[in-house]
Amino acid sequence: EAGVAQSPRYKIIEKRQSVAFWCNPISGHATLYWYQQILGQGPKLLIQFQNNGVVDDSQLPKDRFSAERLKGVDSTLKIQPAKLEDSAVYLCASSLGSVLGELFFGEGSRLTVL
Amino acid sequence: DAKTTQPPSMDCAEGRAANLPCNHSTISGNEYVYWYRQIHSQGPQYIIHGLKNNETNEMASLIITEDRKSSTLILPHATLRDTAVYYCIARGSKLTFGGGTRVLVKP
Repeated sequence: EAGVAQSPRYKIIEKRQSVAFWCNPISGHATLYWYQQILGQGPKLLIQFQNNGVVDDSQLPKDRFSAERLKGVDSTLKIQPAKLEDSAVYLCASSLGSVLGELFFGEGSRLTVL
Repeated sequence: DAKTTQPPSMDCAEGRAANLPCNHSTISGNEYVYWYRQIHSQGPQYIIHGLKNNETNEMASLIITEDRKSSTLILPHATLRDTAVYYCIARGSKLTFGGGTRVLVKP
């Protein structure tokens, strides 16, 4: 079974530029998550989708971050404009859909903002 | 979700059991204890979860105290590939990660 796919794996941009990350969850998984992991810290939930609807985006900095999950499958996370403190690994995860279901994580997209 | 407290780091010897403690003194009755681990440069990986009873699977055992205020993850025979950051999470509706325990398995 294919896992959660993310791209790009690495991205280096200058501050004030924009960047987009893509995630393809495991087939059939209704719930999709984006986490931000700053070096040395645990992952922090940015946004959770159930199918193509947002369940929780309370920790998403909405002035610069946006995410969408069109058709309830793939998702993109965009940052515009990027700040130095956005340097982190952006992890996508998916689960079948139950509240307590196991989350399967992708390998992440590492962003460096210069 | 209730806060969990874990030691920041620990070492263990290859082939020996590794016992990873976690405190979750404010856990509520409907929150499960979850363990994930994160090997360097990879995403977190699910290990095990439980509510009240002890649980065992092919990766680990989870021992939860009777008052549910703490738990221990046991890796029965640690290998070098078990070197990772281990996260204990008291899960309500969200999976909220703390700082975890950095485990180094030494030969």
